[in-house]
Amino acid sequence: EVVLTHSPLSLPVTLGQPASISCWSSRSLVYSDGNTYLHWFHQRPGQSPRRLIYNAFNRDSGVPDRFSGSGSGTDFTLEISRVEAEDVGVYYCMQASHWPPTFGLGTKVEIK
Amino acid sequence: EVQLVESGGGLVQPGGSLRLTCTTSGFKFSSYWMTWVRLAPGKGLEWVANIKQDGIEKNYVDSVKGRFTMSRDNAKNTFFLQMNSLRAEDTAVYYCSGYTDGWYDNYWGQGTLVTVSS
Repeated sequence: EVVLTHSPLSLPVTLGQPASISCWSSRSLVYSDGNTYLHWFHQRPGQSPRRLIYNAFNRDSGVPDRFSGSGSGTDFTLEISRVEAEDVGVYYCMQASHWPPTFGLGTKVEIK
Repeated sequence: EVQLVESGGGLVQPGGSLRLTCTTSGFKFSSYWMTWVRLAPGKGLEWVANIKQDGIEKNYVDSVKGRFTMSRDNAKNTFFLQMNSLRAEDTAVYYCSGYTDGWYDNYWGQGTLVTVSS
């Protein structure tokens, strides 16, 4: 099973400032079709996960452009250019390149 | 508007059974893989199982294999999770989710709580 490791696990942020979350995989996430099935989700308490980024760097429809994803192979990053109050919650990376799909433990983002 | 609505959760004793239903609308259900993902108290998200568009290919994680069974009805845009021999560690919010080949689209329901306790 592929293990995804988040860093940091907790991230206090200042409104208007940038934030960055890393996700490391125990195996390369490049699939046989050439795609990298690494996604980023945001979940607020009591709500369902919402996907922000798919296949490492593609922003989902309706996701603000302050969110961006980068990385390849085993190292990936989610960046928020300017944090807003609605960005609090837990961010998960998830891989679907290997069975079973797995999630990282998440990074909890809170406002300082 | 895309909607996925889970139902069927509740309180059940260890060893008991529940059947979860995910009723969908607003997207082409028959073109999507469907999956169940759960969030246990104090833990992270866990993939449970998925079912291909044709309803034939099904995949389960080891912890539920032999106990959980998925099915889908493409005519009714609905899919199901039959959960038998439930254990305390199955206690979680269960989310249904759908995704296309290549993961270009992905939708989630609001979740249904399953509590396994005596």
